[in-house]
Amino acid sequence: KAGVTQTPRYLIKTRGQQVTLSCSPISGHRSVSWYQQTPGQGLQFLFEYFSETQRNKGNFPGRFSGRQFSNSRSEMNVSTLELGDSALYLCASSLEPNQNTEAFFGQGTRLTVV
Amino acid sequence: TQLLEQSPQFLSIQEGENLTVYCNSSSVFSSLQWYRQEPGEGPVLLVTVVTGGEVKKLKRLTFQFGDARKDSSLHITAAQPGDTGLYLCAGGNMRFGAGTRLTVKP
Repeated sequence: KAGVTQTPRYLIKTRGQQVTLSCSPISGHRSVSWYQQTPGQGLQFLFEYFSETQRNKGNFPGRFSGRQFSNSRSEMNVSTLELGDSALYLCASSLEPNQNTEAFFGQGTRLTVV
Repeated sequence: TQLLEQSPQFLSIQEGENLTVYCNSSSVFSSLQWYRQEPGEGPVLLVTVVTGGEVKKLKRLTFQFGDARKDSSLHITAAQPGDTGLYLCAGGNMRFGAGTRLTVKP
């Protein structure tokens, strides 16, 4: 069974641009969560989607948005990129947004903003 | 917001030593998960603890969930270089602590 797939693996963008990252969850998983990981802040929760609906959102500005499609694939978008947005963006999938449900992470997308 | 504090932040030990890392909160969790993350990879789930006082063993790793379900510990016996990585705990709401970065020197 294929794991969580995130594309692209690496990305370099300039300030002011926008970027879209993609996450394909494990087949049958309907819950997708996104995280930003930086050396200084650790793993910060961005948002969670289940059945195409955003269920939870972290404390990030409106420049960060996401969506989920009917096949459970998810995308996140960051507009007007800032240098501080440079980070590893991780996606995790689980069967459902149950507190005890195991989550599986992708390898992440390393975004560098220059 | 349920916050998780992990300690120590960094730990560097020699191969063969034992170590314990901690995950603490003022909130009660219905479950708590431990992950290990290696450079360039996403976190990988090690264990989920659900019951207060629960102890789970995974080879040389022993996980304990506090009686009050507010804290947890991970003990590694006879650490090996392959144990090197970032150890993260997460509450049932999938909010993570900052992690303990462990380095095991040969």
